[in-house]
Amino acid sequence: NAGVTQTPKFQVLKTGQSMTLQCAQDMNHNSMYWYRQDPGMGLRLIYYSASEGTTDKGEVPNGYNVSRLNKREFSLRLESAAPSQTSVYFCASGTSSYNSPLHFGNGTRLTVT
Amino acid sequence: GIQVEQSPPDLILQEGANSTLRCNFSDSVNNLQWFHQNPWGQLINLFYIPSGTKQNGRLSATTVATERYSLLYISSSQTTDSGVYFCAVVIQGAQKLVFGQGTRLTINP
Repeated sequence: NAGVTQTPKFQVLKTGQSMTLQCAQDMNHNSMYWYRQDPGMGLRLIYYSASEGTTDKGEVPNGYNVSRLNKREFSLRLESAAPSQTSVYFCASGTSSYNSPLHFGNGTRLTVT
Repeated sequence: GIQVEQSPPDLILQEGANSTLRCNFSDSVNNLQWFHQNPWGQLINLFYIPSGTKQNGRLSATTVATERYSLLYISSSQTTDSGVYFCAVVIQGAQKLVFGQGTRLTINP
């Protein structure tokens, strides 16, 4: 019962470096999401994929790109990391687009120096 | 945009106490969820409750959609209930789940 799996758990980048955060779910969910959480704040949506083959911007998409590789996997890419992207990143999935319970991965703590 | 306000922002209780957390929202919603973020940062879905009342063990939740609020009740608190509780809503016609700022609950032994 893995649920939603995120890798890596921790990452430190220098400004300007790139990286991809990986997310996979084994619950046969159609919808997948990427959120970021900053200290003292709730979660903010970066991008989402309502179904395989579609992606849409959320509240804070600038500086990020996503790929819905297949039904199971949804990756988040930082092309040129900036200190403002230091955050904890969460991937989530749900049966349908927002009208079903959301299940979260354990998060990736990213620091950009 | 929709406003989601949670109260109180912080709550400190002794083990065994009961608590009520509130979530107010400014527009009609068709999806409301409660989450618990434990001290290790994991986010656990507690309830999917766009309306009505649900119970799961010591936890229960009630959403009164017409009056735009939801309540989360925790009875006989345990130290493992500590963490931050978030409510999140989707307004009708939208596809964005908007989170409140959370209530930080500390249960002391």
